[in-house]
Amino acid sequence: QKEVEQNSGPLSVPEGAIASLNCTYSDRGSQSFFWYRQYSGKSPELIMSIYSNGDKEDGRFTAQLNKASQYVSLLIRDSQPSDSATYLCAVNTNAGNMLTFGGGTRLMVKP
Amino acid sequence: GAVVSQHPSWVICKSGTSVKIECRSLDFQATTMFWYRQFPKQSLMLMATSNEGSKATYEQGVEKDKFLINHASLTLSTLTVTSAHPEDSSFYICSARVYGNGYGYTFGSGTRLTVV
Repeated sequence: QKEVEQNSGPLSVPEGAIASLNCTYSDRGSQSFFWYRQYSGKSPELIMSIYSNGDKEDGRFTAQLNKASQYVSLLIRDSQPSDSATYLCAVNTNAGNMLTFGGGTRLMVKP
Repeated sequence: GAVVSQHPSWVICKSGTSVKIECRSLDFQATTMFWYRQFPKQSLMLMATSNEGSKATYEQGVEKDKFLINHASLTLSTLTVTSAHPEDSSFYICSARVYGNGYGYTFGSGTRLTVV
């Protein structure tokens, strides 16, 4: 079992819709959770970080964390074509201070 | 704030030569730098963790004699790919942990290495 799992997609949503991206992780001791967006050929850029159970909202983005179920999700409201990218879930497993990445979900927002 | 500058952004080299990639933290001290490699359509895979002033810790399967990492100061870490081969062609990205309000980890812009 991979430490951090994501559906590879592609997830296709129409412009203006809500895109829902999910991620599960295996290490119950994980403390910090991040969502990164990566455009093709570019470095990842941080979208959201979340550290405690519940929802965290920032603009059109909402991160949701459920430590009991070991999943973290990202909702993108009013999706735009410019949101089309690969979204990477990353978890700090508390072992060595490093990030472990999921395989990424490719999102396609169609005009 | 919390910017990591990575150079070069792309490099083409001949098989058998060595290539050095630099990552500098511009406005903070990067005690720890992480080096990742990303092959096309794959996620980031951690290669090694470097700590300032000490030897790097390599992930399983990563050849430490081939991928030389130096972290001699709090603002500079380098990755040298020695005796590069076409299979080393990849996207290399550095990342540093940032302590503060919600930053988490900041990434360099990446280096596209093509070995011909």
